Amino acid sequence: NAGVTQTPKFQVLKTGQSMTLQCAQDMNHNSMYWYRQDPGMGLRLIYYSASEGTTDKGEVPNGYNVSRLNKREFSLRLESAAPSQTSVYFCASTAEWAWDTEAFFGQGTRLTVV
Amino acid sequence: AQSVTQLGSHVSVSEGALVLLRCNYSSSVPPYLFWYVQYPNQGLQLLLKYTSAATLVKGINGFEAEFKKSETSFHLTKPSAHMSDAAEYFCAVSDTGNQFYFGTGTSLTVIP
Repeated sequence: NAGVTQTPKFQVLKTGQSMTLQCAQDMNHNSMYWYRQDPGMGLRLIYYSASEGTTDKGEVPNGYNVSRLNKREFSLRLESAAPSQTSVYFCASTAEWAWDTEAFFGQGTRLTVV
Repeated sequence: AQSVTQLGSHVSVSEGALVLLRCNYSSSVPPYLFWYVQYPNQGLQLLLKYTSAATLVKGINGFEAEFKKSETSFHLTKPSAHMSDAAEYFCAVSDTGNQFYFGTGTSLTVIP
């Protein structure tokens, strides 16, 4: 099983450029998430989609937009990249909207904004 | 909102020694608690989770954690460290909104 697949794995952007990070899961999960991971700060939630057709802001949504394209795919868009958005981005999914649900993570996208 | 605190951003142990990684949580309601492991250049994967059943939870690769409500702690232990245990470990708590709040992580180094 592929699980959660993220593309690209690495990306370098210039300040002001835009890009979309792609995420797809093949586990028929209902809920999907985007996190960013920064040194000393752990993982912080950017946006999430509890189910197909819904999206909500997380802890750090500024500068990002998301699209839940279908049940499998959840993309993250940076409209005008800033150096502060240099980070490692992880997509995750959970089977359902429940307290005790295990999250499955992709391998991450390492983004550098110069 | 929930929060977790992981004491010690870096922990070093000798191969064969006890591993102890600390996690304390703040919660006004009974939480669901998790430990995730991240190997270099990989995503996170679940080690174990506490969901209000047994307070001592056993996970993969010989790890276990004990939920102590009186201490608001969920420390991760392994009796004997192996070189393959070198990784970053994250404690997490989930709340009513099904959002996971992650700690800042503890990097474990195993010395041969």
